[in-house]
Amino acid sequence: QKEVEQNSGPLSVPEGAIASLNCTYSDRVSQSFFWYRQYSGKSPELIMSIYSNGDKEDGRFTAQLNKASQYVSLLIRDSQPSDSATYLCAASLNNYGQNFVFGPGTRLSVLP
Amino acid sequence: GAGVSQSPSNKVTEKGKDVELRCDPISGHTALYWYRQSLGQGLEFLIYFQGNSAPDKSGLPSDRFSAERTGGSVSTLTIQRTQQEDSAVYLCASSGTWGETQYFGPGTRLLVL
Repeated sequence: QKEVEQNSGPLSVPEGAIASLNCTYSDRVSQSFFWYRQYSGKSPELIMSIYSNGDKEDGRFTAQLNKASQYVSLLIRDSQPSDSATYLCAASLNNYGQNFVFGPGTRLSVLP
Repeated sequence: GAGVSQSPSNKVTEKGKDVELRCDPISGHTALYWYRQSLGQGLEFLIYFQGNSAPDKSGLPSDRFSAERTGGSVSTLTIQRTQQEDSAVYLCASSGTWGETQYFGPGTRLLVL
């Protein structure tokens, strides 16, 4: 099993809907998780980080961490066409060195 | 403050030539990472520096690739005898220390003809 896995998509949602992006992780991963957004042709930019079990909200974004089930999700409320991008799940590993792994990303398309 | 910067932003070279890509991390960040991203693909880890410790080179695809970080700050990624399959966006990121949030530079788009 890869350390971090995501459905590559594309995930299409209508404007105004809730977009739900999911990520699962392996036992090698520690308890620090990050969601990045990458627009086509641009670099990844951090949206949110989450370290504790439960929900963390920031504006239209909510990150959810479930350690028992080993998944982390990102909900985008009131989706806008400008949210169309690839969303990368990332996690830190329990070792020195290559201690940060990225999932392959999920491509989100918000349809007007 | 200033973010991560990379230069050049674009580089076109001929097959067989050497190229150098530069990364200036955020001031004070001790961890620095290089990634490669081919068109439509995910991030491929290349190399990681943490302070003055020996770098983790486990992601370098061949011995044509090397990187150094001088004075714990600026880093240079060198690709010798470039091949067409080296064409990609090379991204640099830095973080306060290992395992913390990474901040990315704008990338260098390399095209090997």
